Amino acid sequence: ETGVTQSPTHLIKTRGQQVTLRCSSQSGHNTVSWYQQALGQGPQFIFQYYREEENGRGNFPPRFSGLQFPNYSSELNVNALELDDSALYLCASSLGQGSGYTFGSGTRLTVV
Amino acid sequence: GNSVTQMEGPVTLSEEAFLTINCTYTATGYPSLFWYVQYPGEGLQLLLKATKADDKGSNKGFEATYRKETTSFHLEKGSVQVSDSAVYFCALRFMGEQAGTALIFGKGTTLSVSS
Repeated sequence: ETGVTQSPTHLIKTRGQQVTLRCSSQSGHNTVSWYQQALGQGPQFIFQYYREEENGRGNFPPRFSGLQFPNYSSELNVNALELDDSALYLCASSLGQGSGYTFGSGTRLTVV
Repeated sequence: GNSVTQMEGPVTLSEEAFLTINCTYTATGYPSLFWYVQYPGEGLQLLLKATKADDKGSNKGFEATYRKETTSFHLEKGSVQVSDSAVYFCALRFMGEQAGTALIFGKGTTLSVSS
């Protein structure tokens, strides 16, 4: 079975721009979560989608938004990028809300 | 609120040394506890977990016991290898009805093992 795939692997954007990050969940997994990991820090929860509905959100502003598609893949969109948005963005999928996560390798976003 | 505190790193050991990485948590309720490992340039991999008090999680020679009385979940390994060099994250999560909440991570502890 394939794991969680994220694209792109690296990205450089300019402050004020918008970015879309993509995640293909592990086969059969219907729940996707996104995390932001700043350099030298632990991952911070952004939000979670279960069957195309957002059902949990961390302490991130509304310019962080997401989507989950019928095939359970997901997007993370960030508007009006700020320098502090530079981080590794991790996607994790699970089978059901109470199951263990499988993490992708992440997208490294640099905002200049 | 809910939080996880890990010992500061980096931890530097020689091969075959004994490893302990301390982790304590604060939680309103009874979470499940996890250790994740992150190798350079990669995402997180689940190392082990425990879902209730006194449970012991183990994998690849690593162990951790869920201690409710001390709110701790310390990671141990009897003999580390160079290949164990990575960043280790302790995390908690509420399952069941609160499953819409997420993993809450500590800041991570970097382990460096030399031969």
